[in-house]
Amino acid sequence: SYELTQPPSVSVSPGQTARITCSGEYLPKKFAYWYQQKSGQAPVLVIYEDIKRPSEIPERFSGSSSGTMATLTIGGAQVEDEAHYYCYSTDSSGDQWVFGGGTKLTVL
Amino acid sequence: QVQLVQSGAEVKKPGASVRVSCKVSGYSLTKLSLHWVRQAPGKGLEWMGGFDVEDGETLYAQKFQGRVSMTNDTSSDTAYMELSSLRFEDTAVYYCAALPRVWGKGTTVTVSS
Repeated sequence: SYELTQPPSVSVSPGQTARITCSGEYLPKKFAYWYQQKSGQAPVLVIYEDIKRPSEIPERFSGSSSGTMATLTIGGAQVEDEAHYYCYSTDSSGDQWVFGGGTKLTVL
Repeated sequence: QVQLVQSGAEVKKPGASVRVSCKVSGYSLTKLSLHWVRQAPGKGLEWMGGFDVEDGETLYAQKFQGRVSMTNDTSSDTAYMELSSLRFEDTAVYYCAALPRVWGKGTTVTVSS
């Protein structure tokens, strides 16, 4: 079955740039989506279709994709950005969707 | 604005079935790709399946095929997810989501003897 691989944790100081990667075989041809999830809350979409940002999401959130890796970048991370982040995409058929294992971002 | 309101928490015994509902407001269910995602305690998000509005097909994750059924009642704009043969490891929060953007608040399903 298809898998998306994320680092379990990333840690940065406030104001630094945080980068979270997501590796998957079909990412060169399939979009990646990124979700932020804070404790006890439903996930929130922060990036869709590799690079697009919902209007309500701060500009410091950006996405990119190159080859088999998609990257979520938080430029000037804030304490309130501490959360788990999940990438989401599909396999070559488009019939099986999958989340990455999640990355815990610590900002302190 | 699409909103998704899910049914309340459930406690079930192993081997039983559970049905979770998801009421859509602000949009027609027939025009949404409504999916189901679960999250076990302390674990990550797991896609279970959903309706692909472009193809008109219901997709199921291979892990759940044969044990899960997802249906839509278009007359009431309510989606349902039924999971059968429950096991302890099915204890989780179950989310409906109009992917990629709108999520329900989740329904806690506890499997306990």
